Amino acid sequence: DSGVTQTPKHLITATGQRVTLRCSPRSGDLSVYWYQQSLDQGLQFLIQYYNGEERAKGNILERFSAQQFPDLHSELNLSSLELGDSALYFCASSVGNGVADTEAFFGQGTRLTVV
Amino acid sequence: DQQVKQNSPSLSVQEGRISILNCDYTNSMFDYFLWYKKYPAEGPTFLISISSIKDKNEDGRFTVFLNKSAKHLSLHIVPSQPGDSAVYFCASGGTSYGKLTFGQGTILTVHP
Repeated sequence: DSGVTQTPKHLITATGQRVTLRCSPRSGDLSVYWYQQSLDQGLQFLIQYYNGEERAKGNILERFSAQQFPDLHSELNLSSLELGDSALYFCASSVGNGVADTEAFFGQGTRLTVV
Repeated sequence: DQQVKQNSPSLSVQEGRISILNCDYTNSMFDYFLWYKKYPAEGPTFLISISSIKDKNEDGRFTVFLNKSAKHLSLHIVPSQPGDSAVYFCASGGTSYGKLTFGQGTILTVHP
């Protein structure tokens, strides 16, 4: 158990809909990262928050948005869903802001299926 | 633009032998490198890391080698065990920011 909690574990929804994925970081971790893993792809970095502020942005679509709340949990909002958005979405957390501060710990992921 | 590449989608080795997983990167700004292991239905788990000031880091059966001039790193597992069977991702980043760039992963199968 990494200490990072993601809900829900599975999500099936229709095209055009909007969903929210939730992540609770490990206790004490200030950084939250979101990654997407599509079929046959590695993990693609989407976005990072550190202590409530956006720190880095990757290949995140405009239809997607995220935020980190004062209690440090984070939500990833996906809207106008398309079939191609079906993927595993991972959240990770780390204590610091930089890669070398400590390694990131990953949650078990949310499997999103868009039908 | 694939900045981190794992060119071998899969690797099969016999229990007790050495497993060598390879990774190449293109971004000269990367100065920190990590290996993650992933079992089905689980998130990636950190395995071992190395910073660019070193060329080798060892942790038990796992050793990571970094060749900066070739922009290449490798993970050696000795001896390999059936429980090591998983997907291995290499990841690279810069010490000044937290974003990691992952390779596509290599499926390691260790046969008893």
